[in-house]
Amino acid sequence: DARVTQTPRHKVTEMGQEVTMRCQPILGHNTVFWYRQTMMQGLELLAYFRNRAPLDDSGMPKDRFSAEMPDATLATLKIQPSEPRDSAVYFCASDRDTGFGEQFFGPGTRLTVL
Amino acid sequence: RKEVEQDPGPFNVPEGATVAFNCTYSNSASQSFFWYRQDCRKEPKLLMSVYSSGNEDGRFTAQLNRASQYISLLIRDSKLSDSATYLCVVNGAGAGSYQLTFGKGTKLSVIP
Repeated sequence: DARVTQTPRHKVTEMGQEVTMRCQPILGHNTVFWYRQTMMQGLELLAYFRNRAPLDDSGMPKDRFSAEMPDATLATLKIQPSEPRDSAVYFCASDRDTGFGEQFFGPGTRLTVL
Repeated sequence: RKEVEQDPGPFNVPEGATVAFNCTYSNSASQSFFWYRQDCRKEPKLLMSVYSSGNEDGRFTAQLNRASQYISLLIRDSKLSDSATYLCVVNGAGAGSYQLTFGKGTKLSVIP
């Protein structure tokens, strides 16, 4: 049963620290998305990649967030320095670029910045 | 106007009831429409796609009204296991656009 995996599942850190979240998309999926979910804003798209190339990161605060795909099996989202307002659940999702819109989500990283 | 708007609920319904959720979207050029389901503290999962002609999957029926930019989800004979948050999702405009815009969700609680 193919799944998107994310690590860590939970992260508590102090303001100013660097946070790195990792995602392994489903094998064969060539489009990878990073989302952030909060109670206030709901699910927001931060960035996405197709065939490892960044296509859109307009949803991401550029000064502190960065997203990369060093290879087809790994996507990373980094926050440096982290702030309390970054506390949220960060989801990675992937799809097969079929155009049918079914994205498969990972279990998320629950981030708390103190 | 928000891109995708939903009534946040919560909807508290007894088992066996029929419940309907509505959603409106602002981008008239949107091409694809979906309902996702999200259980508490879990990831969203696709429930069903929404087609112009309307579509049904067991107890679930989805409808799309492009003229009114309105999407609906009907759940018949509600089960306890239907308790979740239902997210209305709209694909961006234009072929090949894979950006999904999610509504904030409607919370459903089915009570025994």
